[in-house]
Amino acid sequence: GAVVSQHPSRVICKSGTSVKIECRSLDFQATTMFWYRQFPKQSLMLMATSNEGSKATYEQGVEKDKFLINHASLTLSTLTVTSAHPEDSSFYICSARGHRGRYEQYFGPGTRLTVT
Amino acid sequence: AQSVTQLGSHVSVSEGALVLLRCNYSSSVPPYLFWYVQYPNQGLQLLLKYTSAATLVKGINGFEAEFKKSETSFHLTKPSAHMSDAAEYFCAAPSSGVYYSSARQLTFGSGTQLTVLP
Repeated sequence: GAVVSQHPSRVICKSGTSVKIECRSLDFQATTMFWYRQFPKQSLMLMATSNEGSKATYEQGVEKDKFLINHASLTLSTLTVTSAHPEDSSFYICSARGHRGRYEQYFGPGTRLTVT
Repeated sequence: AQSVTQLGSHVSVSEGALVLLRCNYSSSVPPYLFWYVQYPNQGLQLLLKYTSAATLVKGINGFEAEFKKSETSFHLTKPSAHMSDAAEYFCAAPSSGVYYSSARQLTFGSGTQLTVLP
């Protein structure tokens, strides 16, 4: 149980284009989803928290117009990197939290974004 | 605010030796605590969690962790390391000082890279 998928696993795009990453909870309803960014050999940096049907809450320093998050249903959240630049290249990981009162997050396998 | 400290960014052990990865948390209120493992180019997998039910928590792959309130620690151990244990390990605790924060974000430690030597 508690499986989270992410698609695509790897994407290469040209500078200036937009990329959408999907995060799905496959066998549970995710009341909250989180988006993280991870630089090589570093810990996870929380970008934003989203609840189904409401606007995402972005962490300080994260551009909400650049990283668009849509939590359209209890099983799907998307992250769109708009007008991507090489400095946006990174490993993006989503996680999902299920039942009220529980803290553990279940993570997707991550998406490696490379902007050329 | 909660902070999580992992002492030792790199730990090397020989195959068959004891694994000890250290984690200390800052909150005065015993929180939920988690250990996650990350293999290269993958997401994080939950190893085990502490939820106040028992101070010694057993997880997957033979790992266990002991919650020690007096030391604000939650160190991860495994009696005998396998080559397959080589990975990055993260300790995590709820972020907010408000115990029942609705967002329930997690604060992660900086991670410990475990290398298992043949």
